[in-house]
Amino acid sequence: DAKTTQPTSMDCAEGRAANLPCNHSTISGNEYVYWYRQIHSQGPQYIIHGLKNNETNEMASLIITEDRKSSTLILPHATLRDTAVYYCIAHAETSGSRLTFGEGTQLTVNP
Amino acid sequence: EAGVAQSPRYKIIEKRQSVAFWCNPISGHATLYWYQQILGQGPKLLIQFQNNGVVDDSQLPKDRFSAERLKGVDSTLKIQPAKLEDSAVYLCASSLVVPIYFGEGSWLTVV
Repeated sequence: DAKTTQPTSMDCAEGRAANLPCNHSTISGNEYVYWYRQIHSQGPQYIIHGLKNNETNEMASLIITEDRKSSTLILPHATLRDTAVYYCIAHAETSGSRLTFGEGTQLTVNP
Repeated sequence: EAGVAQSPRYKIIEKRQSVAFWCNPISGHATLYWYQQILGQGPKLLIQFQNNGVVDDSQLPKDRFSAERLKGVDSTLKIQPAKLEDSAVYLCASSLVVPIYFGEGSWLTVV
């Protein structure tokens, strides 16, 4: 898996959009970008993944730059329950299904 | 759809004692993983099963950790004898391919 770099921590006001960046400058052409989050005392939760095109689901949007060297996870209207550690992972399905987690970004949503 | 089930949720043992964790994956998921997560770090893969065969156990401390997946469904992870540094959350996950889905984790404290 390509190395990913994320800020250690971020703050966001409740009701505002939370934009979490991830740098993956050495990503290979067949590596997807996966996002997970981990709320305190729970297991990691899958959020979204994408290859090139922007993706959106009921939880979040994923914006991948055209050169694929970075991406942004967007939570459009952050709530207090979105406070969690967010992990960005670059992974190719051809290298198996095991995912390698880094340290992630601690997002704190403030009232 | 039922998620990944793990038990026990919490366990406190003395060093040199043994402990076992149980995992029931999502129905139909052939691949099962055990991850270890030390406080403040991302999850680290210990072992990966495909059906009842081991795919990757390179990070499993085999002198004290063992895992099995009989009949390709449920799995148990055992630690014997436990050390203080084994205090962590033990996460079970399962998948068809990617993404992988995690259970709530089993919290182990070794005193």
